[in-house]
Amino acid sequence: GQNIDQPTEMTATEGAIVQINCTYQTSGFNGLFWYQQHAGEAPTFLSYNVLDGLEEKGRFSSFLSRSKGYSYLLLKELQMKDSASYLCAVPGVNQGGKLIFGQGTELSVKP
Amino acid sequence: EPEVTQTPSHQVTQMGQEVILRCVPISNHLYFYWYRQILGQKVEFLVSFYNNEISEKSEIFDDQFSVERPDGSNFTLKIRSTKLEDSAMYFCASRRTEETQYFGPGTRLLVL
Repeated sequence: GQNIDQPTEMTATEGAIVQINCTYQTSGFNGLFWYQQHAGEAPTFLSYNVLDGLEEKGRFSSFLSRSKGYSYLLLKELQMKDSASYLCAVPGVNQGGKLIFGQGTELSVKP
Repeated sequence: EPEVTQTPSHQVTQMGQEVILRCVPISNHLYFYWYRQILGQKVEFLVSFYNNEISEKSEIFDDQFSVERPDGSNFTLKIRSTKLEDSAMYFCASRRTEETQYFGPGTRLLVL
């Protein structure tokens, strides 16, 4: 089966850096996604990692270690608008390509 | 930038009624999905659709549910006889051949 774990909530200060961790167990691996979801809105794509290492995209970076079943999302220079839920997801093992989501980490950015 | 659209944004219905949720995926996308998210819970996969047929469905997607792509642009989810526990946000998503799925804004369904 497949299982994803991430912290339920985190709090950080405007301008700071925060790291949101995700661990996963999967019978096959086809990459790992991070999505951002504001309350009442759709998930929006942030990053996709399929190889080990850090991928940087502006203020957001995502890291993957396949041997450890571990990823993190790093948010720099936090802004109030970064307050949202951050969802870790992995594709299912069947060809259909479904995404299996973690419960999400609710990030609160405070002034 | 092209995006997935969904209608209606909100739907209120009585238990036992049929509802149809509509989605227009991004035009050159080939794979289509429905997910749901019960308030306060995680996003859950319902069904995937490719080449005019269901490619995978979850245990949630029982005989009450059906999907259709009637005209080459719309992608619909029908719930035949709604139950209270069907109240949720329903998201449509689509992708081309690469992995990334793009989500629509969702339909908030409330069953009374």
